Amino acid sequence: DADVTQTPRNRITKTGKRIMLECSQTKGHDRMYWYRQDPGLGLRLIYYSFDVKDINKGEISDGYSVSRQAQAKFSLSLESAIPNQTALYFCATSDIYGTSGSPSSYNEQFFGPGTRLTVL
Amino acid sequence: QQQVKQSPQSLIVQKGGISIINCAYENTAFDYFPWYQQFPGKGPALLIAIRPDVSEKKEGRFTISFNKSAKQFSLHIMDSQPGDSATYFCAASSSGAGSYQLTFGKGTKLSVIP
Repeated sequence: DADVTQTPRNRITKTGKRIMLECSQTKGHDRMYWYRQDPGLGLRLIYYSFDVKDINKGEISDGYSVSRQAQAKFSLSLESAIPNQTALYFCATSDIYGTSGSPSSYNEQFFGPGTRLTVL
Repeated sequence: QQQVKQSPQSLIVQKGGISIINCAYENTAFDYFPWYQQFPGKGPALLIAIRPDVSEKKEGRFTISFNKSAKQFSLHIMDSQPGDSATYFCAASSSGAGSYQLTFGKGTKLSVIP
């Protein structure tokens, strides 16, 4: 989805290096998410943010940190990359309000194109 | 703890056939069940979703069947086409206690052969 962009699209790095993956969105959504995809394991939530002052850990947050610099930007950092973190990383966004105008959980998540990270 | 179990891992269907992917969940607080479709090199995209107040939802060739008592839901793709070849993920979420996270199944790789 062109409204959610991720940079870089591919990255190869070495063990111990600090890596930052960036996500930007033009959808005007308040909620943003970082997922990790591994073959046979599906999508697992790393962190999520409901607004710039709200950051929450997901299922697999160990070894990762995030920063919500603005409503439109949500970055994922690996402070000291390890080979086990080799994976496909996706950013996603969703709107806080449903069609009724009130907060809703029944909201579509819009995913970016992904970043393929390889840690050697 | 895997809260959404998806099967099969992979599926090969002839063009024109019916593709069926099944999911089972454990958390009775789940109240939203979407299916996402992912093509190679792309992010997942919402295909169809259902809430537990209905037992079936149909959109074109895609149908979700939902069985609340069995805590199971499935995706049926009628008249499967080669363009449907993709990875499909079921998911679930709960609106309770401010929880709006999606829990995904492990995915099913569908190949539709001519």
